[in-house]
Amino acid sequence: KQEVTQIPAALSVPEGENLVLNCSFTDSAIYNLQWFRQDPGKGLTSLLLIQSSQREQTSGRLNASLDKSSGRSTLYIAASQPGDSATYLCAAGAGSYQLTFGKGTKLSVIP
Amino acid sequence: SAVISQKPSRDICQRGTSLTIQCQVDSQVTMMFWYRQQPGQSLTLIATANQGSEATYESGFVIDKFPISRPNLTFSTLTVSNMSPEDSSIYLCSYGTSVYNEQFFGPGTRLTVL
Repeated sequence: KQEVTQIPAALSVPEGENLVLNCSFTDSAIYNLQWFRQDPGKGLTSLLLIQSSQREQTSGRLNASLDKSSGRSTLYIAASQPGDSATYLCAAGAGSYQLTFGKGTKLSVIP
Repeated sequence: SAVISQKPSRDICQRGTSLTIQCQVDSQVTMMFWYRQQPGQSLTLIATANQGSEATYESGFVIDKFPISRPNLTFSTLTVSNMSPEDSSIYLCSYGTSVYNEQFFGPGTRLTVL
């Protein structure tokens, strides 16, 4: 059974800092890896999807990497802004659309 | 990506009652899903809503408690039946695309059971 872990559970950084969020998964036989953002009490916004054959994906100030062999993915946020404050979730996808989520990292960017 | 909406956005309900949550997508999609997010926890898949057939439930979830309808390719409902305070959660629907199996989520329904 796939298990996804995100460390740290919470992170507070000053505005402008670059940061890395970590995600690890136990079963390397994944189909894809998705990163989401969740604002308090809200739904999920898809940020990046990495196919199992890819190593990284970039969107604006976000860069996600995937290392299947070590069961790890990272989300890099450059030049953080207060608007980036949210909970970031990673989810390991199986071929059947099944997603296994981590518990998330709650990010606070301090002005 | 298609726009996905949910109604209601939130509700406060009494123990023993039922609530039906609606999920609407603005274009036809094959795969729709329902998730639960309990307080402080991550998302757990309840079931896959199949158009024209019964939903496929994950372990720990049963049709009597969470009946699901999928009458067409743009709409689904989830009913939370005979509610207890333990059902207080955010309920989210999503749809899957055929492009790398990416999933997109609705805004969620925050349910509080008293």
